[in-house]
Amino acid sequence: SQQGEEDPQALSIQEGENATMNCSYKTSINNLQWYRQNSGRGLVHLILIRSNEREKHSGRLRVTLDTSKKSSSLLITASRAADTASYFCATVSVSGNTPLVFGKGTRLSVIA
Amino acid sequence: NAGVTQTPKFQVLKTGQSMTLQCAQDMNHNSMYWYRQDPGMGLRLIYYSASEGTTDKGEVPNGYNVSRLNKREFSLRLESAAPSQTSVYFCASSEPGQIYGYTFGSGTRLTVV
Repeated sequence: SQQGEEDPQALSIQEGENATMNCSYKTSINNLQWYRQNSGRGLVHLILIRSNEREKHSGRLRVTLDTSKKSSSLLITASRAADTASYFCATVSVSGNTPLVFGKGTRLSVIA
Repeated sequence: NAGVTQTPKFQVLKTGQSMTLQCAQDMNHNSMYWYRQDPGMGLRLIYYSASEGTTDKGEVPNGYNVSRLNKREFSLRLESAAPSQTSVYFCASSEPGQIYGYTFGSGTRLTVV
């Protein structure tokens, strides 16, 4: 069953604006990962945040994790048309032994 | 290019036919996975192989079998295809321990008519 739920399901913004996507999950985790999927392509790993971390940065990406609320957010700053894609969060259970469980994704459209 | 290679990219099957989806990785990863992606459902795990010689069921294994042929290759077989198996299938690989990101193939789009 799906562990993560992304919100919103779809997001449309202008180029240059920031995009924020949220992920909520149900059970305790070892780590949470974000992936991007361009239309018709495979998923690409963006960033991993461990359960003992609160914030992580990678280029224009900023990920936060609030384990007390069982939620994470992905912020893309100064968005570009090339950021148009679907974004998925995926979680690893607290045991760390089971494969990733993916949410249903947020579809981001960046309009030039 | 290094990565995960899936074949074929597209396939149309008639109900009841069988086929094998092939997956190979050249990153020396120990763990490999098969997911299916349906509209509005995200990715669901079919089977995985934590290491060469082992396979385990995921969330939706019914109607599928897998073979971890060697460290590089992990195949998915549909013995008797059904329309409900129409989907996009993704293979992925990773280092063991679930503390690393996965590398995905580009997918196989399967239609069962």
